[in-house]
Amino acid sequence: AQTVTQSQPEMSVQEAETVTLSCTYDTSENNYYLFWYKQPPSRQMILVIRQEAYKQQNATENRFSVNFQKAAKSFSLKISDSQLGDTAMYFCAFGTNTGNQFYFGTGTSLTVIP
Amino acid sequence: EAQVTQNPRYLITVTGKKLTVTCSQNMNHEYMSWYRQDPGLGLRQIYYSMNVEVTDKGDVPEGYKVSRKEKRNFPLILESPSPNQTSLYFCASRLAGPNGEQYFGPGTRLTVT
Repeated sequence: AQTVTQSQPEMSVQEAETVTLSCTYDTSENNYYLFWYKQPPSRQMILVIRQEAYKQQNATENRFSVNFQKAAKSFSLKISDSQLGDTAMYFCAFGTNTGNQFYFGTGTSLTVIP
Repeated sequence: EAQVTQNPRYLITVTGKKLTVTCSQNMNHEYMSWYRQDPGLGLRQIYYSMNVEVTDKGDVPEGYKVSRKEKRNFPLILESPSPNQTSLYFCASRLAGPNGEQYFGPGTRLTVT
């Protein structure tokens, strides 16, 4: 079975600063998919960024980027120029090669301080 | 508007009273899935469906049933709810293919007393 670990239950960052959220996972699969989801107070789940394990290049989406270290099974999320609207719970997720099964971490609650 | 809808959004019920949470998507997605979210545990997958009449267990299927008779609908059935099924439930859908974006419904807050 796959496991996803987020070791930072809560984090805070000053507006306009950069913050990195950590995620590690455990799997015996060679190909898989990794995601970061954002859940604001509205509870809506929003995809932030995704990474395919067979791609070595780290994914980026505007102010969001990942540091994917396959050998270390690490998938951290970097948020640059933090904005108040980034305040949310962030979940790291692992998708199996078939895409049928998903495993989420326990989440990191991020607060952006004005 | 492309969306996943869930009903009801809030439900308080008693132990043992059968209930169904509906999920519907209008994007012609093949894949649909149910998750429960609990504090400190994140989201855990209950069941998923790859297409009509094709379903399979996720990580925490005990106490739940699903069916997929139509492509757009994927109801979650609790035949005898218990207090440990009090949770926030999400339905999600996406196109076939492993790396597609999952579109989540707004969530259903279920309380079982």
